[in-house]
Amino acid sequence: AQSVAQPEDQVNVAEGNPLTVKCTYSVSGNPYLFWYVQYPNRGLQFLLKYITGDNLVKGSYGFEAEFNKSQTSFHLKKPSALVSDSALYFCAVRDNSNYQLIWGAGTKLIIKP
Amino acid sequence: KAGVTQTPRYLIKTRGQQVTLSCSPISGHRSVSWYQQTPGQGLQFLFEYFSETQRNKGNFPGRFSGRQFSNSRSEMNVSTLELGDSALYLCASSRGGENTEAFFGQGTRLTVV
Repeated sequence: AQSVAQPEDQVNVAEGNPLTVKCTYSVSGNPYLFWYVQYPNRGLQFLLKYITGDNLVKGSYGFEAEFNKSQTSFHLKKPSALVSDSALYFCAVRDNSNYQLIWGAGTKLIIKP
Repeated sequence: KAGVTQTPRYLIKTRGQQVTLSCSPISGHRSVSWYQQTPGQGLQFLFEYFSETQRNKGNFPGRFSGRQFSNSRSEMNVSTLELGDSALYLCASSRGGENTEAFFGQGTRLTVV
């Protein structure tokens, strides 16, 4: 069965430091992977996706994600964190059999000044 | 290009009543998915409609139902409301393909008293 795991409920980073939010997946066939961000009381916003090609994907707000097929991971990264990056981050994978998006539990990112 | 529009934004209902939520997808998008989000349960998938047909269904009781119209607009209905139905209900639209991202509305905050 398709699944996504975000092993950390919360990640704390000092402003200006690099950040990583982890995501691992299990899917049959080609993985189509997505990252979203949610600010309080708002809907989710699309950040980036991996479909094929270059393993390093660049997205919105300076975020990027690294696809690693051997480790079945798709970690979200940013070289220098901002306080405004504090939010809830979700990783998702597309189930190739029925097109449904399978979601991770979410990781709360807290950036401290 | 207009985004995904959900109405109403906020709703207060009494236990036992029913409620209908509306979602207008991005123009050209044929897939609409609905999610329930609560603090303790994260994102829970309700159902997805594609070209007026229910393509996927989550694990929710029959009190939760939905439909999609020919213009891709979608509604979800919850009958016999329970206190536990209080949540943020999110709608997402996409073109429906396996490598397409979903775009979310702002959500409808439902409070059942």
